[in-house]
Amino acid sequence: QLQLQESGPRLVKPSETLSLACTVSGGSISSSDYYWGWIRQPPGKGLEWIAYIFYTGSTYYNPSLMSRVTMSVDTSKNQFSLKLSSVTAADTAVYYCARLIRHVHQDAFDIWGQGTMVTVSS
Amino acid sequence: ELVLTQSPGTLSLSPGERATLSCRASQSVSRSFLAWYQQKPGQAPRLLIYNASDRATGIPARFSGSGSGTDFTLTISRLEPEDFAVYYCQQYGSSGYTFGQGTKLDIK
Repeated sequence: QLQLQESGPRLVKPSETLSLACTVSGGSISSSDYYWGWIRQPPGKGLEWIAYIFYTGSTYYNPSLMSRVTMSVDTSKNQFSLKLSSVTAADTAVYYCARLIRHVHQDAFDIWGQGTMVTVSS
Repeated sequence: ELVLTQSPGTLSLSPGERATLSCRASQSVSRSFLAWYQQKPGQAPRLLIYNASDRATGIPARFSGSGSGTDFTLTISRLEPEDFAVYYCQQYGSSGYTFGQGTKLDIK
């Protein structure tokens, strides 16, 4: 079945750029039925949607993060990525990648990666 | 900006009891865009309900969703030990996706 796996540095210094990748296995990222997204969760807090992307490269960002976020997709690697620039301690969180279904009467993140904890600290 | 407010913050119940969790939106939303997730400690969220009332694949029938407009409800008819977790509602609006702050369902 479809699985998603996050990867990237667990520790990022303040003011630097956080970079994560999500590798999709058991299915193609190039499906026209799905989008691919990032969601984060600070320790002990709730969920915050960051961005999502279509395999063609069309992107949609959370307005509150838009100035610092870039998503991209690499169909040859069946992978999509997240970059978050100028990080601060407030960006410390578990970062999840997820598959997003956007159909009439079905709009939700239906498959999630296990998540990766990223800490921003010098 | 669309805001989702979940209540109560914490719900303490016993196995076998009925749980009713509320999600209120700051403005009217389409049922198509309302989903519920369950999250257990150390795990990723799991999709339970989409389209306000449709169960996701593999979700037991004791979970049901209802509501429209600004008020939505997740009901667990008879709590099983594995149902004690945090539950989030999620909505899509003009600013993208928004999650509620969560309701923690714990064992009484």
